[in-house]
Amino acid sequence: DAMVIQNPRYQVTQFGKPVTLSCSQTLNHNVMYWYQQKSSQAPKLLFHYYDKDFNNEADTPDNFQSRRPNTSFCFLDIRSPGLGDAAMYLCATSRSPAVGTDTQYFGPGTRLTVL
Amino acid sequence: SQQGEEDPQALSIQEGENATMNCSYKTSINNLQWYRQNSGRGLVHLILIRSNEREKHSGRLRVTLDTSKKSSSLLITASRAADTASYFCATDSTGDGGFKTIFGAGTRLFVKA
Repeated sequence: DAMVIQNPRYQVTQFGKPVTLSCSQTLNHNVMYWYQQKSSQAPKLLFHYYDKDFNNEADTPDNFQSRRPNTSFCFLDIRSPGLGDAAMYLCATSRSPAVGTDTQYFGPGTRLTVL
Repeated sequence: SQQGEEDPQALSIQEGENATMNCSYKTSINNLQWYRQNSGRGLVHLILIRSNEREKHSGRLRVTLDTSKKSSSLLITASRAADTASYFCATDSTGDGGFKTIFGAGTRLFVKA
C-alpha cells in the first residue's frame, strides 16, 4: 500500500547530540512537510519541500535542518537537541503544486525524547 | 498567531450521541480541512471543504463552513467508542510567504461505551 513511513518510531537522544529522523513515501508526491507537535498542542510546520525547493518557516530555529535527496526521502536533522525539542515529529506529503491546498498524508510520527 | 482555534478543547459523550466541534479562524482561506489523530499517532485526513462551499458530508461526518463568520463545524453523528481521538481543523491560505497550512489546537473527543 502507498504510504508515508517514518523511522524510527521512537528516538532517544542526549542533550546536544545530533539526531536524524527519516521519512519516506511511496505516493510519489511533490511536497513533503515536517511538523513538530508537542503534547496537547497543534502540529507546527517547521518546513516543507516542493520537489527540491526548500521552504523554511520564519520561526523555525536554525537548530533544525532538512534534506531531501530524492522524491521518496526526506530527513530532519536536529543539530543540537535541547530539552525543549522533545516532541512528536510528523512527516506529511501532498500532491498539489499549490502547496497547502491539498490533502496532506501523514506518517505515524517519531517521538523524540531528549535526556 | 494561531489561525485555527477550536472549541471545545475537550468533549465527552455517550456512544450514540452526536458530537459537534467548532473551529474559528482569523484570515481569508482557500479551504479548510479536518483531521483526526489517535493518541500517539499521525493525523488522518477526514474532509476538505473549499471556501466556496458551505456544507460537505462524508459518511457520519458533516462539515459546515461560514466564511462570513470565519468558522467551521464538524459534526459526527451516532458516535462510536472508536471515534475517540483528537480532531484538528487546518486552514489553507495564501499569504506573503506563499501558501500555508495552519492547524488548530484540536478538540479531544472521548466517546464512552
